[in-house]
Amino acid sequence: KAGVTQTPRYLIKTRGQQVTLSCSPISGHRSVSWYQQTPGQGLQFLFEYFSETQRNKGNFPGRFSGRQFSNSRSEMNVSTLELGDSALYLCASSPGGLAGIAKNIQYFGAGTRLSVL
Amino acid sequence: AQSVTQLDSQVPVFEEAPVELRCNYSSSVSVYLFWYVQYPNQGLQLLLKYLSGSTLVKGINGFEAEFNKSQTSFHLRKPSVHISDTAEYFCAVSPYNQGGKLIFGQGTELSVKP
Repeated sequence: KAGVTQTPRYLIKTRGQQVTLSCSPISGHRSVSWYQQTPGQGLQFLFEYFSETQRNKGNFPGRFSGRQFSNSRSEMNVSTLELGDSALYLCASSPGGLAGIAKNIQYFGAGTRLSVL
Repeated sequence: AQSVTQLDSQVPVFEEAPVELRCNYSSSVSVYLFWYVQYPNQGLQLLLKYLSGSTLVKGINGFEAEFNKSQTSFHLRKPSVHISDTAEYFCAVSPYNQGGKLIFGQGTELSVKP
């Protein structure tokens, strides 16, 4: 089974631009979660999508948004980029669903490293 | 709300020595517990998990962890480390009713020296 795939791996943008990151989950997984990793704040939860609906949300400004398609692939968008948005953005997938403990086990992609100049 | 505290930011150890990475958590609801490892320029790899049952769980690469409910701890151990274990280790919790959300500790950098 292929793992979680994130594209692109590296991205350089300038302040004020917007960016879209992509995540393809493990086949059969219906939940996709996004995380931001920075040296200062560590790993922080952005949001989770399940069956094309946002199910959980972290404490990030509205500039951070996402969506999920019918094939479970997900995209994350950041508008009006700021220097502080420079980070490694990680996507994780899990089986999801409302029952069973396996739904909580998340598998991560290699991440997209975003640099904002 | 949940929080995770990893008590050591850096742990240096010699090869073949035992190691313990400490993790305490706080939560108002029941949670599942995880340890992940991150090698340089890579994503997170699941090391082990506690979902239910026996409080001693075994993971990959010879690691194990013990869940202590009364002390709200989930410490990671390995009896003999290798150079290849050098990496950053993250403890995380996931609330029962929020399956897609992980709350992470700040990480522990394990440095194994020859």
